[in-house]
Amino acid sequence: QKEVEQNSGPLSVPEGAIASLNCTYSDRVSQSFFWYRQYSGKSPELIMSIYSNGDKEDGRFTAQLNKASQYVSLLIRDSQPSDSATYLCAVNLYPGNNRKLIWGLGTSLAVNP
Amino acid sequence: DAMVIQNPRYQVTQFGKPVTLSCSQTLNHNVMYWYQQKSSQAPKLLFHYYDKDFNNEADTPDNFQSRRPNTSFCFLDIRSPGLGDAAMYLCATSPQAPQETQYFGPGTRLLVL
Repeated sequence: QKEVEQNSGPLSVPEGAIASLNCTYSDRVSQSFFWYRQYSGKSPELIMSIYSNGDKEDGRFTAQLNKASQYVSLLIRDSQPSDSATYLCAVNLYPGNNRKLIWGLGTSLAVNP
Repeated sequence: DAMVIQNPRYQVTQFGKPVTLSCSQTLNHNVMYWYQQKSSQAPKLLFHYYDKDFNNEADTPDNFQSRRPNTSFCFLDIRSPGLGDAAMYLCATSPQAPQETQYFGPGTRLLVL
């Protein structure tokens, strides 16, 4: 059973703090990892993708991947109220021509002014 | 700007009355996906096309059908909508590359009366 697990939250942080979102996955074959942000009533928006162990930074966002421990995390520095949303972790399996993403249920983040 | 477009954004239909949702893309991506998402749930993949090759998920009800007449367009047909089919329907695309980042359209909110 291929699974992606996230804490549902809500995770509440004050404005300006670092928000840390975590995701674990069960399949060791997983190769591609994605973080999407979804505002209420809107569609998912890609925030970060990461494919190799280590950190990947993009502005205030840093994705961290540890394949040995089977987790991927997203750090949001200097959190803003506009970051309040649900963050979805998604994992893709390949090789094998599997073009499907396995999704977590998402973590709700609330950034308080 | 290259994008994924979904029409209509909101659709109201009656119980049992067929409805068609449309998706178009200017990204020239080979793969197109249809997801169903209900409140507080992860997106649920219904089916996807790799070029003209149709891939149905095992648990997608027969009530849901799809057509892809060309690279740019894809349609979701719900033959006899039930109350349980009320949801957000998301179209996504991805390139042929193995790492398969998915890009979402804005979604269509379906209400069944």
